[in-house]
Amino acid sequence: GAVVSQHPSRVICKSGTSVKIECRSLDFQATTMFWYRQFPKQSLMLMATSNEGSKATYEQGVEKDKFLINHASLTLSTLTVTSAHPEDSSFYICSAGDSGAAQETQYFGPGTRLLVL
Amino acid sequence: AQSVTQPDIHITVSEGASLELRCNYSYGATPYLFWYVQSPGQGLQLLLKYFSGDTLVQGIKGFEAEFKRSQSSFNLRKPSVHWSDAAEYFCAVGARSWGKLQFGAGTQVVVTP
Repeated sequence: GAVVSQHPSRVICKSGTSVKIECRSLDFQATTMFWYRQFPKQSLMLMATSNEGSKATYEQGVEKDKFLINHASLTLSTLTVTSAHPEDSSFYICSAGDSGAAQETQYFGPGTRLLVL
Repeated sequence: AQSVTQPDIHITVSEGASLELRCNYSYGATPYLFWYVQSPGQGLQLLLKYFSGDTLVQGIKGFEAEFKRSQSSFNLRKPSVHWSDAAEYFCAVGARSWGKLQFGAGTQVVVTP
């Protein structure tokens, strides 16, 4: 099946710094990708929909100026956590849909664990 | 309002025993329903999905799920669990076969010898 990768898999940063997380569709093109956040022992919450070549659509309560999303190509979306604080520590997961497949399917990346000190 | 409810936060099952995970949903339109599994520190793997047709859906790893419209349920089952089935299981609902999903809170499955 199709593969979605994320980089880095794990990152530790100091409070106040910015962190960029990449989400790549390795063998298919994804005009739309999704970013989720998962706090420990909790479910996934959709943060935003990343659209190639246009602005991302953010879910209610998600600060667009804090979580910058750039979907510059059909295989890459990036999430930048700006001025990160300890409360931003979480597991960030992206997903991408393979609309070109015979049966549309969505694939999830392996996740990025962010720890802000 | 759309919602997905997984009533069981935690289930312990003996290896070889059967497993059933409950999922109830509330959705305005005809939903796509999914079950995902997540191993510790890992992303999500799709077990199965349902939109239409036969209400009993077969998935990977020996899992199946049954859609019951009258009960707004989509319960996941496995006849005989293996130790490797220990993981977190999420039920999710969406508007199409792929796209943004609303997830349930998850059910942690522990498998004992």
